Parts: sequence; structure tokens; C-alpha cells
Amino acid sequence: DQQVKQNSPSLSVQEGRISILNCDYTNSMFDYFLWYKKYPAEGPTFLISISSIKDKNEDGRFTVFLNKSAKHLSLHIVPSQPGDSAVYFCAFQGGSEKLVFGKGTKLTVNP
Amino acid sequence: KAGVTQTPRYLIKTRGQQVTLSCSPISGHRSVSWYQQTPGQGLQFLFEYFSETQRNKGNFPGRFSGRQFSNSRSEMNVSTLELGDSALYLCASSLGELAGVDTQYFGPGTRLTVL
Repeated sequence: DQQVKQNSPSLSVQEGRISILNCDYTNSMFDYFLWYKKYPAEGPTFLISISSIKDKNEDGRFTVFLNKSAKHLSLHIVPSQPGDSAVYFCAFQGGSEKLVFGKGTKLTVNP
Repeated sequence: KAGVTQTPRYLIKTRGQQVTLSCSPISGHRSVSWYQQTPGQGLQFLFEYFSETQRNKGNFPGRFSGRQFSNSRSEMNVSTLELGDSALYLCASSLGELAGVDTQYFGPGTRLTVL
């Protein structure tokens, strides 16, 4: 059974618009929530994280939202840039595994 | 500061063989974790080592093992390779703190192909 679901395998947006990436989870034991992005032939790169006691965290163009009652995590990128095109993974810390990852959403930002 | 390095970057083996992958963490990081990435299963946690001891373990068979040395460098071994072991193996290092978010930094991975 999947503890984490990224239901959209791909997302395409125009440059300058908002990109919204989503994750749903089932394990209430998670206490930290992270987003990574991955370019081909590279390892994942850490983007931003949020603690379970918060509902929003911002870092420049990136904002992460946590809705604990709905067990839902989202990442907003505003404005989107072509260099943001990558695969984005949500990841969860706090269970028995070091990090539990979603299967990723491929974001394409069109010029 | 140098990032996480993994060697080799690419490897081709045949079924039944065994393989050892190596990971050098970021200087000062004491925790090293290993992950397997496949198209079907995504990124899955294998195990974590901290101060030369395995601290966490994922749901993988005993053919997958690892170790960590006193300088925090880590190796991962897979014995009796199967076709399904073909994957990208990623190593990640972190400070290893148990309180707070323990942000992991990933290496570029080792692409293992089993024929």
C-alpha cells in the first residue's frame, strides 16, 4: 500500500504562470515534509521543507502548503521558469523509513 | 564544499554476480542512506548508516547489504544479482540529527544494469 501518492505524473505550464504540484499521504506519523527536484542523470536536489506544526513555508518563488486534516501537501512555483522543468518528488520524514518518496511529477515549463 | 560522490557511475553485471557500490558523503555528514530508483516503484529506501551502525532499514531482501566506515564513507553490496535489480542506486548524506528535519543531499547515482 502506498503511503504517498502523487496522482499527476505530468504537468505542463506556461512560463510566468503558477505551477502547482500535489501530494497525498496516509501516514499520520510523518513529521517533516520535503520537496525535491530531479534533472535527468542527476540525483534529487532538495528544494524546501515544512514541519507538521506549520501550514505554509516560503522560499523565494517556492511555497509549500500543508493541510494536515486532508493529509495533503502542495508546492507552488511562482512565476514558473523554463529552468524549473524537472521531475518533482514529495518526500516524508518520520516513519520507519528515512524518507518516503512519491513517484514524482514531471513538470514542463514552456517558454 | 564538495557534494556527495558515488562510484562507479555506470555498471553492467550478469545475473548471479555480486556488486559493490561506493559513496562518499559531504564532509561533516555522519549519516548515509541508500535508495533504489526504478520506473515502476519510484524511489525506495534501502537503509541508513550512522556512525558505522545501521540505523534504519527498508523492505528489501537480505541480498542487499551495506556498511559504513569510520570516515563516514559507505558501501552497498548486492549479492546474487537478479534482472529486477537493474536500477539507479542513489546515496544521500545528512547530518543525521534525530530532532528536526534531517535534510538529505543526494549524489548523482550509480546506474546498474543486470543482464
